[in-house]
Amino acid sequence: GENVGLHLPTLSVQEGDNSIINCAYSNSASDYFIWYKQESGKGPQFIIDIRSNMDKRQGQRVTVLLNKTVKHLSLQIAATQPGDSAVYFCAEKVSDSWGKLQFGAGTQVVVTP
Amino acid sequence: DVKVTQSSRYLVKRTGEKVFLECVQDMDHENMFWYRQDPGLGLRLIYFSYDVKMKEKGDIPEGYSVSREKKERFSLILESASTNQTSMYLCASSPGTGGGEKLFFGSGTQLSVL
Repeated sequence: GENVGLHLPTLSVQEGDNSIINCAYSNSASDYFIWYKQESGKGPQFIIDIRSNMDKRQGQRVTVLLNKTVKHLSLQIAATQPGDSAVYFCAEKVSDSWGKLQFGAGTQVVVTP
Repeated sequence: DVKVTQSSRYLVKRTGEKVFLECVQDMDHENMFWYRQDPGLGLRLIYFSYDVKMKEKGDIPEGYSVSREKKERFSLILESASTNQTSMYLCASSPGTGGGEKLFFGSGTQLSVL
């Protein structure tokens, strides 16, 4: 399944399928981007990050893609599992902004068996 | 692993009370942050600190103050709590300049102001 921007805040995915969560960031001066996962009742947990001099970075079952031309960031989760059900946040850091991250509103991912 | 500990998981206070939310990190991080999280609004930055006794306003500082007397501890203060401050409060820390921007979050404090 694919979620475009922040207009579809809930993404329903079947277990085993790949998930794609999209994020449109706002500032062309942003030089660092990060994805967090937040499970119910917990604080956000780091998933993966990427700097603006890269366009792709891979982790374990996750890939982040950055398209600076259209200011778009996406998180791909391979073989989605029930434990991937959570809210996912993207965040950006503007260059020279003292490490301040600006967060998006989040996308709720629901994995169905 | 970095541990960011928030003193209370749930807190119920009355309007007008002074409220202290405490946060401690154990990795000698320079930067510490307070965010509030509300449904549909994501995380919004209240205050942050990049050094002991230093503080900077975030995007929504009104009604809040902070204190950082020691490097490992960052406190959020609601001088006179109001019902619109009912929210989830998240503390975070990061290594700082040269050490990375990745934030490490605590588990959050759910504050209800009645």
